[in-house]
Amino acid sequence: SAVISQKPSRDICQRGTSLTIQCQVDSQVTMMFWYRQQPGQSLTLIATANQGSEATYESGFVIDKFPISRPNLTFSTLTVSNMSPEDSSIYLCSVEDPLQAGAVAGTEAFFGQGTRLTVV
Amino acid sequence: GESVGLHLPTLSVQEGDNSIINCAYSNSASDYFIWYKQESGKGPQFIIDIRSNMDKRQGQRVTVLLNKTVKHLSLQIAATQPGDSAVYFCAENNYGQNFVFGPGTRLSVLP
Repeated sequence: SAVISQKPSRDICQRGTSLTIQCQVDSQVTMMFWYRQQPGQSLTLIATANQGSEATYESGFVIDKFPISRPNLTFSTLTVSNMSPEDSSIYLCSVEDPLQAGAVAGTEAFFGQGTRLTVV
Repeated sequence: GESVGLHLPTLSVQEGDNSIINCAYSNSASDYFIWYKQESGKGPQFIIDIRSNMDKRQGQRVTVLLNKTVKHLSLQIAATQPGDSAVYFCAENNYGQNFVFGPGTRLSVLP
């Protein structure tokens, strides 16, 4: 199973500034995913980061606001740009990997511990 | 520590009782489903999965039931323990697509 390290684990930022979140995986993976989890809500996919090509963004998310880098198969960054209080959320990096022993589905989503962002 | 999902629906159960957490999914073409557990300050973690051609699957203290007719998934936890307190999400996946997560339920275990 994949082990994902994400940093920072939390930050408090001033509105109008930008924060870059780093995600490191202990194995090479084709796709990495960035999710947002707003207070009281579930996980919403922001974008899929592919190595060697531009990230694919979901409806409602744009590259100017959430630029993503994917320089190699084990690392990605998500930047939250020009932040406002509405961007206060937990941001999670994820990869899909073959399931653990005994599972029956196709793949499993593994997550980092998340970055708790508060914008003031 | 702080908790995610401060406004999530909450299920409160007595320690030792059984818990049933429900989830309605959206895509009738989804191939498989996974239940995730998210503890405070952590990312979601795999609990149990089920394929769309199954209607029941059991793990250690957990059982997942799938009703494709009404697009409903449930997670049953036997003899609920304090360590089971967390937010639980169902996730559906169509092979080759990304996971789509349900709204989540907070399970609170009372002593």
